[in-house]
Amino acid sequence: DVKVTQSSRYLVKRTGEKVFLECVQDMDHENMFWYRQDPGLGLRLIYFSYDVKMKEKGDIPEGYSVSREKKERFSLILESASTNQTSMYLCASSAGTSGSPRADFGPGTRLTVT
Amino acid sequence: AQSVSQHNHHVILSEAASLELGCNYSYGGTVNLFWYVQYPGQHLQLLLKYFSGDPLVKGIKGFEAEFIKSKFSFNLRKPSVQWSDTAEYFCAVNARNTDKLIFGTGTRLQVFP
Repeated sequence: DVKVTQSSRYLVKRTGEKVFLECVQDMDHENMFWYRQDPGLGLRLIYFSYDVKMKEKGDIPEGYSVSREKKERFSLILESASTNQTSMYLCASSAGTSGSPRADFGPGTRLTVT
Repeated sequence: AQSVSQHNHHVILSEAASLELGCNYSYGGTVNLFWYVQYPGQHLQLLLKYFSGDPLVKGIKGFEAEFIKSKFSFNLRKPSVQWSDTAEYFCAVNARNTDKLIFGTGTRLQVFP
Protein backbone atom coordinates (compact mmCIF):
# COMPACT_ATOMS: atom_id res chain seq x y z
CA ASP A 1 0.00 0.00 0.00
CA VAL A 2 1.05 3.55 -0.66
CA LYS A 3 2.20 5.36 2.36
CA VAL A 4 1.86 9.10 2.36
CA THR A 5 3.23 10.87 5.38
CA GLN A 6 2.95 14.48 6.43
CA SER A 7 5.47 16.11 8.69
CA SER A 8 3.04 17.37 11.33
CA ARG A 9 -0.47 16.47 12.46
CA TYR A 10 -1.00 19.78 14.23
CA LEU A 11 0.72 23.10 13.71
CA VAL A 12 0.16 26.51 15.25
CA LYS A 13 1.76 29.53 13.62
CA ARG A 14 1.51 33.28 13.94
CA THR A 15 0.27 35.66 11.29
CA GLY A 16 3.06 36.62 8.93
CA GLU A 17 5.23 33.58 9.58
CA LYS A 18 6.56 31.49 6.73
CA VAL A 19 5.17 27.98 7.03
CA PHE A 20 6.43 24.78 5.44
CA LEU A 21 4.25 21.68 5.19
CA GLU A 22 6.10 18.58 4.07
CA CYS A 23 4.74 15.49 2.39
CA VAL A 24 6.57 12.30 1.50
CA GLN A 25 5.34 9.25 -0.43
CA ASP A 26 7.13 5.95 -0.73
CA MET A 27 5.62 4.41 -3.87
CA ASP A 28 7.47 6.25 -6.62
CA HIS A 29 4.30 8.07 -7.71
CA GLU A 30 4.58 10.72 -10.40
CA ASN A 31 1.78 12.92 -9.13
CA MET A 32 1.46 14.69 -5.82
CA PHE A 33 -1.26 17.02 -4.66
CA TRP A 34 -1.98 19.54 -1.92
CA TYR A 35 -5.56 20.19 -0.89
CA ARG A 36 -7.17 22.14 1.88
CA GLN A 37 -10.29 20.81 3.54
CA ASP A 38 -12.80 23.16 5.09
CA PRO A 39 -16.28 22.38 6.43
CA GLY A 40 -18.91 22.75 3.73
CA LEU A 41 -16.31 23.40 1.03
CA GLY A 42 -14.92 19.91 0.63
CA LEU A 43 -11.41 19.45 -0.69
CA ARG A 44 -10.04 22.27 -2.78
CA LEU A 45 -6.95 21.74 -4.87
CA ILE A 46 -4.15 24.19 -4.12
CA TYR A 47 -1.37 22.85 -6.32
CA PHE A 48 -0.35 19.63 -7.89
CA SER A 49 2.87 18.31 -9.37
CA TYR A 50 3.14 15.76 -12.14
CA ASP A 51 6.91 15.41 -12.09
CA VAL A 52 9.98 16.67 -10.30
CA LYS A 53 10.19 20.46 -10.57
CA MET A 54 6.88 20.51 -12.45
CA LYS A 55 3.82 22.06 -10.90
CA GLU A 56 0.40 23.29 -11.85
CA LYS A 57 -1.93 25.64 -10.03
CA GLY A 58 -5.13 24.24 -8.65
CA ASP A 59 -8.28 26.14 -7.85
CA ILE A 60 -6.98 28.19 -4.91
CA PRO A 61 -3.22 28.81 -5.30
CA GLU A 62 -3.19 32.37 -3.96
CA GLY A 63 -1.00 32.75 -0.90
CA TYR A 64 0.71 29.41 -1.46
CA SER A 65 3.70 28.07 -3.32
CA VAL A 66 5.11 24.57 -3.70
CA SER A 67 8.41 22.84 -4.20
CA ARG A 68 9.21 19.44 -5.61
CA GLU A 69 12.93 18.86 -5.80
CA LYS A 70 12.70 15.10 -5.37
CA LYS A 71 10.08 12.71 -6.65
CA GLU A 72 9.04 11.51 -3.23
CA ARG A 73 8.71 14.88 -1.55
CA PHE A 74 6.25 17.72 -2.14
CA SER A 75 6.31 20.80 0.04
CA LEU A 76 3.60 23.41 0.49
CA ILE A 77 4.80 26.86 1.50
CA LEU A 78 2.76 29.64 3.01
CA GLU A 79 4.94 32.67 2.37
CA SER A 80 3.20 34.84 4.96
CA ALA A 81 0.59 32.97 6.93
CA SER A 82 -2.78 34.59 7.45
CA THR A 83 -5.71 33.63 9.65
CA ASN A 84 -7.80 32.67 6.62
CA GLN A 85 -5.29 29.92 5.94
CA THR A 86 -6.30 28.12 9.11
CA SER A 87 -7.44 24.79 7.76
CA MET A 88 -6.77 21.08 7.37
CA TYR A 89 -4.15 20.45 4.69
CA LEU A 90 -4.13 17.12 2.91
CA CYS A 91 -1.39 15.71 0.73
CA ALA A 92 -2.02 12.95 -1.80
CA SER A 93 -0.14 11.05 -4.45
CA SER A 94 -1.08 8.96 -7.47
CA ALA A 95 0.66 6.95 -10.14
CA GLY A 96 -0.64 9.13 -12.96
CA THR A 97 -1.92 8.25 -16.39
CA SER A 98 0.61 5.50 -16.83
CA GLY A 99 -0.69 3.63 -13.83
CA SER A 100 -3.65 3.66 -11.51
CA PRO A 101 -4.95 7.20 -11.16
CA ARG A 102 -6.39 6.62 -7.71
CA ALA A 103 -4.98 9.01 -5.14
CA ASP A 104 -3.82 7.96 -1.70
CA PHE A 105 -3.94 10.48 1.09
CA GLY A 106 -1.85 11.36 4.06
CA PRO A 107 -3.34 11.91 7.52
CA GLY A 108 -3.50 15.68 7.15
CA THR A 109 -1.99 18.63 8.95
CA ARG A 110 -4.32 20.83 10.92
CA LEU A 111 -2.84 24.31 10.73
CA THR A 112 -3.99 27.10 13.00
CA VAL A 113 -2.79 30.63 12.27
CA THR A 114 -3.25 33.05 15.15
CA ALA B 1 -12.59 22.91 -16.52
CA GLN B 2 -13.70 19.99 -14.43
CA SER B 3 -16.12 20.43 -11.58
CA VAL B 4 -18.03 18.11 -9.27
CA SER B 5 -21.37 18.73 -7.56
CA GLN B 6 -22.71 16.89 -4.58
CA HIS B 7 -26.21 18.08 -3.91
CA ASN B 8 -26.78 16.37 -0.57
CA HIS B 9 -24.79 18.24 2.04
CA HIS B 10 -26.11 16.45 5.11
CA VAL B 11 -28.06 13.20 5.21
CA ILE B 12 -29.55 11.65 8.31
CA LEU B 13 -30.76 8.06 8.23
CA SER B 14 -31.78 5.31 10.59
CA GLU B 15 -29.96 2.00 10.47
CA ALA B 16 -31.19 -0.35 7.72
CA ALA B 17 -32.42 2.54 5.58
CA SER B 18 -31.26 2.71 1.98
CA LEU B 19 -28.77 5.34 0.89
CA GLU B 20 -28.24 7.20 -2.34
CA LEU B 21 -25.83 10.12 -2.57
CA GLY B 22 -25.81 12.19 -5.70
CA CYS B 23 -22.72 13.20 -7.67
CA ASN B 24 -22.64 15.05 -10.96
CA TYR B 25 -19.60 16.21 -12.81
CA SER B 26 -18.99 18.57 -15.66
CA TYR B 27 -16.42 17.60 -18.21
CA GLY B 28 -16.93 16.68 -21.84
CA GLY B 29 -14.20 14.10 -22.18
CA THR B 30 -13.42 10.72 -20.72
CA VAL B 31 -13.14 10.60 -16.95
CA ASN B 32 -12.20 8.42 -14.04
CA LEU B 33 -14.61 8.64 -11.12
CA PHE B 34 -14.12 7.98 -7.44
CA TRP B 35 -15.89 7.97 -4.12
CA TYR B 36 -13.80 8.55 -1.03
CA VAL B 37 -14.89 8.25 2.58
CA GLN B 38 -13.60 9.97 5.69
CA TYR B 39 -14.60 8.40 8.97
CA PRO B 40 -14.47 10.64 12.05
CA GLY B 41 -10.87 11.30 13.00
CA GLN B 42 -9.47 9.28 10.12
CA HIS B 43 -7.93 10.17 6.81
CA LEU B 44 -9.57 9.84 3.42
CA GLN B 45 -9.77 6.38 1.98
CA LEU B 46 -10.98 5.08 -1.36
CA LEU B 47 -14.45 3.55 -1.33
CA LEU B 48 -14.75 2.66 -5.00
CA LYS B 49 -13.67 3.77 -8.46
CA TYR B 50 -14.75 3.65 -12.07
CA PHE B 51 -12.26 3.65 -14.91
CA SER B 52 -14.02 1.77 -17.72
CA GLY B 53 -16.22 -1.25 -18.43
CA ASP B 54 -19.27 -2.15 -16.37
CA PRO B 55 -20.84 1.14 -15.24
CA LEU B 56 -22.02 -0.46 -12.00
CA VAL B 57 -19.06 -0.72 -9.69
CA LYS B 58 -18.88 -2.30 -6.29
CA GLY B 59 -16.69 -1.06 -3.51
CA ILE B 60 -15.88 -1.89 0.05
CA LYS B 61 -18.42 -2.31 2.85
CA GLY B 62 -21.36 -3.02 0.55
CA PHE B 63 -21.26 0.27 -1.33
CA GLU B 64 -21.83 0.51 -5.06
CA ALA B 65 -22.04 3.31 -7.60
CA GLU B 66 -23.46 3.62 -11.06
CA PHE B 67 -21.89 5.67 -13.81
CA ILE B 68 -24.52 7.14 -16.14
CA LYS B 69 -22.60 8.88 -18.89
CA SER B 70 -25.63 10.61 -20.42
CA LYS B 71 -26.40 12.24 -17.07
CA PHE B 72 -22.79 12.93 -16.08
CA SER B 73 -23.61 11.21 -12.82
CA PHE B 74 -21.92 8.76 -10.47
CA ASN B 75 -24.31 8.19 -7.59
CA LEU B 76 -23.32 6.19 -4.55
CA ARG B 77 -25.72 3.63 -3.11
CA LYS B 78 -26.02 1.21 -0.25
CA PRO B 79 -29.16 -0.87 0.32
CA SER B 80 -28.94 -0.93 4.10
CA VAL B 81 -26.77 1.47 6.09
CA GLN B 82 -25.18 0.80 9.44
CA TRP B 83 -24.25 3.10 12.28
CA SER B 84 -20.59 2.55 11.32
CA ASP B 85 -21.26 4.21 7.94
CA THR B 86 -21.43 7.57 9.69
CA ALA B 87 -18.79 9.56 7.83
CA GLU B 88 -18.24 12.20 5.20
CA TYR B 89 -18.36 11.06 1.59
CA PHE B 90 -16.60 12.77 -1.28
CA CYS B 91 -17.05 12.28 -4.99
CA ALA B 92 -14.05 13.02 -7.22
CA VAL B 93 -13.29 13.15 -10.93
CA ASN B 94 -10.11 12.95 -12.89
CA ALA B 95 -10.09 13.73 -16.59
CA ARG B 96 -8.24 11.10 -18.57
CA ASN B 97 -5.97 13.58 -20.31
CA THR B 98 -4.78 15.07 -17.05
CA ASP B 99 -3.85 13.77 -13.64
CA LYS B 100 -5.69 16.57 -11.88
CA LEU B 101 -8.16 15.19 -9.33
CA ILE B 102 -11.10 17.40 -8.39
CA PHE B 103 -13.41 16.79 -5.44
CA GLY B 104 -16.96 17.73 -4.62
CA THR B 105 -17.95 19.54 -1.43
CA GLY B 106 -18.78 16.33 0.39
CA THR B 107 -21.87 14.81 2.00
CA ARG B 108 -22.01 14.28 5.71
CA LEU B 109 -23.90 11.10 6.55
CA GLN B 110 -25.22 10.45 10.04
CA VAL B 111 -26.75 7.07 10.78
CA PHE B 112 -28.68 6.61 13.99
CA PRO B 113 -29.23 3.21 15.61
